[in-house]
Amino acid sequence: GQQVMQIPQYQHVQEGEDFTTYCNSSTTLSNIQWYKQRPGGHPVFLIQLVKSGEVKKQKRLTFQFGEAKKNSSLHITATQTTDVGTYFCAGPEGSSNTGKLIFGQGTTLQVKP
Amino acid sequence: DTGVSQNPRHKITKRGQNVTFRCDPISEHNRLYWYRQTLGQGPEFLTYFQNEAQLEKSRLLSDRFSAERPKGSFSTLEIQRTEQGDSAMYLCASSSGRKLFFGSGTQLSVL
Repeated sequence: GQQVMQIPQYQHVQEGEDFTTYCNSSTTLSNIQWYKQRPGGHPVFLIQLVKSGEVKKQKRLTFQFGEAKKNSSLHITATQTTDVGTYFCAGPEGSSNTGKLIFGQGTTLQVKP
Repeated sequence: DTGVSQNPRHKITKRGQNVTFRCDPISEHNRLYWYRQTLGQGPEFLTYFQNEAQLEKSRLLSDRFSAERPKGSFSTLEIQRTEQGDSAMYLCASSSGRKLFFGSGTQLSVL
């Protein structure tokens, strides 16, 4: 079945260092979404990418959607302790427009102050 | 607070007991989802409602699981004859488009 995979599973960085997580889908996606889950919290929507090759920025966060719409990345510049959490990418199942998402297993970011 | 509300936050039960969770979505959202999340994994889709109609149910969901959304408002998820493997965080989410708004979840522990 359709799969969404993320690497790395864990990343420990020193505060101020950069961080990148990569997401790969087994199928072409109509869109990809990113969520952040703080320790003990629930997933919170960060962004949605729709177009091939799309790049979006939110302050220190840069999101990219691959040209083939099968991969995506999230890059954080100069990490802060507030960036700690697990970052999930998620894509719709098949051509579904119902909001049913297939999530990756997430990348957990730890930031040492 | 107009976010997605779930209760209880935590539920500890003995194997074989039935449990029921409740979700109150954002009021103007017509879509409601139940997901399950285990440690170190992303949320896994269980079922989905459009208004009061249950439109899809995961093949992974056994017959012991049932969900309802009477009148298209709040939803309940019931697990009958719980097993230790049911221990997980049960997340509810609602949406009016593609973006999901998650509740804080119900953490189920089956002893």
